[in-house]
Amino acid sequence: QSVLTQPPSVSAAPGQKVTISCSGSRSNIGSNYVAWYQQVPGTAPKLLIYESNKRPSGIPDRFSGSKSGTSATLGITGLQTGDEADYYCGTWDTGLSAVVFGGGTKLTVL
Amino acid sequence: QVQLVESGGGLVKPGGSLRLTCAASGFTFSDYYMSWIRQAPGKGLEWVSHISNSNTYPKYADSVKGRFTISRDNAKNSLYLQLKSLRAEDTAVYYCARPTGDFAFDIWGQGTVVTVSS
Repeated sequence: QSVLTQPPSVSAAPGQKVTISCSGSRSNIGSNYVAWYQQVPGTAPKLLIYESNKRPSGIPDRFSGSKSGTSATLGITGLQTGDEADYYCGTWDTGLSAVVFGGGTKLTVL
Repeated sequence: QVQLVESGGGLVKPGGSLRLTCAASGFTFSDYYMSWIRQAPGKGLEWVSHISNSNTYPKYADSVKGRFTISRDNAKNSLYLQLKSLRAEDTAVYYCARPTGDFAFDIWGQGTVVTVSS
């Protein structure tokens, strides 16, 4: 059981937009920045979003992040087949004194 | 380029021990906290431990506290994780990762596989 809650799967057609939610509590998302990661099976995760809404160099602006209260959202526009991957949210939990992750969301581009 | 390379994984019996190593290059290792994160087969990411840049203030997930020990050697640009009293549920890919100030992990190694089985 993950501390952060994500939907197990989402899907959309190429070119469309999809959002992935991440729900937490006051001690984690409510108090700290959120990061998002993309993981293609068999490879290491890659940082997509940090500080809730910032993109590292090299990440296209098709990827966006937002946070409101105890929830965060990853948005992906102009979906491509190459976006098929697992997506994870993560943050620091002040109460647990630990990094916590969501259970992951599998994105299928139909 | 900035790189993390893990080694030391393998097959170990329950109750056994293993030492993982992460070799860093391409950045000033001593400036950064460092972390270990694992992923069990078919499962999500689980943060295991982190250590400050000065080799102090180690923190551990409750699931490994008292069994795993994190350490680093800044002179050798290396991070370590000593695993003891291993259990089947410790079977996972173990990643070394570099956290930013807010614990977003911007650099990851390729991972090393630990399998605990009799």
